Amino acid sequence: AQSVSQHNHHVILSEAASLELGCNYSYGGTVNLFWYVQYPGQHLQLLLKYFSGDPLVKGIKGFEAEFIKSKFSFNLRKPSVQWSDTAEYFCAVRNQGGKLIFGQGTELSVKP
Amino acid sequence: NAGVTQTPKFQVLKTGQSMTLQCAQDMNHNSMYWYRQDPGMGLRLIYYSASEGTTDKGEVPNGYNVSRLNKREFSLRLESAAPSQTSVYFCASSVTSGSGEQYFGPGTRLTVT
Repeated sequence: AQSVSQHNHHVILSEAASLELGCNYSYGGTVNLFWYVQYPGQHLQLLLKYFSGDPLVKGIKGFEAEFIKSKFSFNLRKPSVQWSDTAEYFCAVRNQGGKLIFGQGTELSVKP
Repeated sequence: NAGVTQTPKFQVLKTGQSMTLQCAQDMNHNSMYWYRQDPGMGLRLIYYSASEGTTDKGEVPNGYNVSRLNKREFSLRLESAAPSQTSVYFCASSVTSGSGEQYFGPGTRLTVT
């Protein structure tokens, strides 16, 4: 079965630290890749997406992610986090069947 | 545009009770989805509707039924609630089932005692 794995369950950083959240998926065909963010008490919002082309994609609020096909990975990065980035982050893969498969989520806590 | 709306926001049920969660979208999207979110498990697809008039099971359909009432509305029904259905339920929509980018509603927090 297709799956998405986020290795970090809870990450704690200080403001201005760099962030990298791992995401690996098991599907070998053509995929579309997404990162969603859920701020405390809010619904999921799209952070960035990859469909094709440049494997380095930039999203909102200074986030970026790199698609590495050979590693089945789509890691999320941000050079300098802020307290307002405290949220839960979900990686998701859409396969040719059209369904989104989500990872378990990574809770990010940023200390001021 | 309100986007995706859900009612109610909170609900407490007793085991065996039934209820319907409502979802509506005003973006003229063809596809709609119901997910449940549980700690440490991410979002899991319960049911989806690729287009008006069609519904299909997702990963965790047992104990649920859905109705795609029209293009805008997609409801989720729990016929006989169980404590294992305590969760946060999210409705989402997308232009088509193949477009991938889904827009989410604010969620319904359901507790079954």
